[in-house]
Amino acid sequence: QLQLQESGSGLVKPSQTLSLTCAVSGGSISSGGYSWSWIRQPPGKGLEWIGYIYHSGSTYYNPSLKSRVTISVDRSKNQFSLKLSSVTAADTAVYYCAGENVSDAFDIWGQGTMVTVSS
Amino acid sequence: QSVLTQPPSASGTPGQRVTISCSGSSSNIGSNTVNWYQQLPGTAPKLLIYSNNQRPSGVPDRFSGSKSGTSASLAISGLQSEDEADYYCAAWDDSLNGKVFGTGTKVTVL
Repeated sequence: QLQLQESGSGLVKPSQTLSLTCAVSGGSISSGGYSWSWIRQPPGKGLEWIGYIYHSGSTYYNPSLKSRVTISVDRSKNQFSLKLSSVTAADTAVYYCAGENVSDAFDIWGQGTMVTVSS
Repeated sequence: QSVLTQPPSASGTPGQRVTISCSGSSSNIGSNTVNWYQQLPGTAPKLLIYSNNQRPSGVPDRFSGSKSGTSASLAISGLQSEDEADYYCAAWDDSLNGKVFGTGTKVTVL
């Protein structure tokens, strides 16, 4: 049973880069044909898909964030990462990492990590 | 920037049936499968329905999904207190070339 755990800085200054990592445990990040995503949820609001990296290594990003987002995989460490540059207060949110199965559904989720953008 | 529209709230008494709609367009629901997620207060979302109407192992059969044209629905029959949560639909959007979530519906058990 694959499990995910987010880690990274909980406080980021405006204009700086947000960096988060999602560790995959209980199996290999390369197994099962999973694609790996980042999703966020501003306080009191709904879910927003940020992007994902396919099992092939291809990446797909939300068009509204594309110019600022990079998602990468480190298979040697069994983890994947998110970098979001030039952050503003609007990027304050709970960030979730998630695994998308072959049926295009997010069936594995991390517990989420709160990131606040403030000086 | 949600392109899938859901009613903000829905409610019912224990045992009742509640239905949540998810309205999209030809570029998302009209041409791709729909998934539904349940988010209990303070927790991460959980997959409830995939591929329009399939339940993952462990999800009670009180939850059912359907899709017609550019809309989808989630039904909860025999409503229970533990069903009080936020529910989100999601689908791939061919125009945006990305995944989109619904606006979310808060279900209250009266």
